[in-house]
Amino acid sequence: DTAVSQTPKYLVTQMGNDKSIKCEQNLGHDTMYWYKQDSKKFLKIMFSYNNKELIINETVPNRFSPKSPDKAHLNLHINSLELGDSAVYFCASSPTGADTGELFFGEGSRLTVL
Amino acid sequence: AQTVTQSQPEMSVQEAETVTLSCTYDTSESDYYLFWYKQPPSRQMILVIRQEAYKQQNATENRFSVNFQKAAKSFSLKISDSQLGDAAMYFCALKTSYDKVIFGPGTSLSVIP
Repeated sequence: DTAVSQTPKYLVTQMGNDKSIKCEQNLGHDTMYWYKQDSKKFLKIMFSYNNKELIINETVPNRFSPKSPDKAHLNLHINSLELGDSAVYFCASSPTGADTGELFFGEGSRLTVL
Repeated sequence: AQTVTQSQPEMSVQEAETVTLSCTYDTSESDYYLFWYKQPPSRQMILVIRQEAYKQQNATENRFSVNFQKAAKSFSLKISDSQLGDAAMYFCALKTSYDKVIFGPGTSLSVIP
């Protein structure tokens, strides 16, 4: 059983399109994240949800909209895709409270915008 | 604001030798966690080692150990007896309150047979 799973793992699309990436975790964690890894491998936090509530929203264009239907799922929808959106998007989860602080990552979704 | 800096974009080590990757960080909080994550070419992010700021003892995990200098805000990773499978990007990360984890820019480690 994959602990944090993302779909799709690869996505190629045209500029201007809208696309979604889904994430699910079966670890029972309360907190989920989206990170963007650019071509230089730099990892930047985008959003964080705790038990379906948005708690971190970094400076991300409004074209990016996360949605958490329940605490096990965190989806990312991107409108009007631009070339600069090409990256690997990682979903992650972590427990809260007295925990180790460790992030558990999905395998990443590579988005290519043409 | 919290920051994490890795000053070595690339490092190389001979197989079976020891290498140390550097990391410095900045935070105004007294309670935090530090991590080293490994990202091999498969792109999966793998936790290598963690350190709680309140613990003075340096963490060790088999061939991996850290040198945690809290006053200097330094957190280096030592890999002993390097193996070919250690070749990867290594990211230093800092977790403070509010569950925010920020990463350094990474160090690409090559292992020479």
